[in-house]
Amino acid sequence: GQQVMQIPQYQHVQEGEDFTTYCNSSTTLSNIQWYKQRPGGHPVFLIQLVKSGEVKKQKRLTFQFGEAKKNSSLHITATQTTDVGTYFCAGPGGAQKLVFGQGTRLTINP
Amino acid sequence: NAGVTQTPKFQVLKTGQSMTLQCAQDMNHNSMYWYRQDPGMGLRLIYYSASEGTTDKGEVPNGYNVSRLNKREFSLRLESAAPSQTSVYFCASSDDRGPSGANVLTFGAGSRLTVL
Repeated sequence: GQQVMQIPQYQHVQEGEDFTTYCNSSTTLSNIQWYKQRPGGHPVFLIQLVKSGEVKKQKRLTFQFGEAKKNSSLHITATQTTDVGTYFCAGPGGAQKLVFGQGTRLTINP
Repeated sequence: NAGVTQTPKFQVLKTGQSMTLQCAQDMNHNSMYWYRQDPGMGLRLIYYSASEGTTDKGEVPNGYNVSRLNKREFSLRLESAAPSQTSVYFCASSDDRGPSGANVLTFGAGSRLTVL
């Protein structure tokens, strides 16, 4: 079935450093979504990308969808302690299903 | 507006016991889902329901049953709990009307289950 691979699994940065997580699929995706889960919390929807080559920004977060619609990335500029958490990408798995990547857990040294 | 409500938040079971996790949403969403989250494994779909009266298996359905009681409620039952079912369980719902057929999920707060 549809699989979405996400790397790295863990990332530790100093506050103020940048952070990037990558998501790859073996098949073309009609769209990709990103979620954030704070420690002890539940996943919360961040954004959805639909178009080939699409780039969207939310303050310090930049989301990209690859030209072939098989990969995506989330880049955070100048991390802050509020960015701590696990970031998941998710792609369609058919019939209203979403398939999630394994997630990238971000920890930050203040 | 509560969104997605799950109960209980925490539960400890002994091997072989049964229990039901309850989930209700007040957003008039058609689709509902049960995921489990284990360290390093991300979120894995157990069962989902695309509409009232229908349910389908996800990636890891073994050992679970579900009931879509009505449009609002979707319960997950463990008939004979096993230690491998120790996990955090999330219920989610979506309105499945996004662009390109995308379903944006709204998650509940989660239910932490420990099976001894």
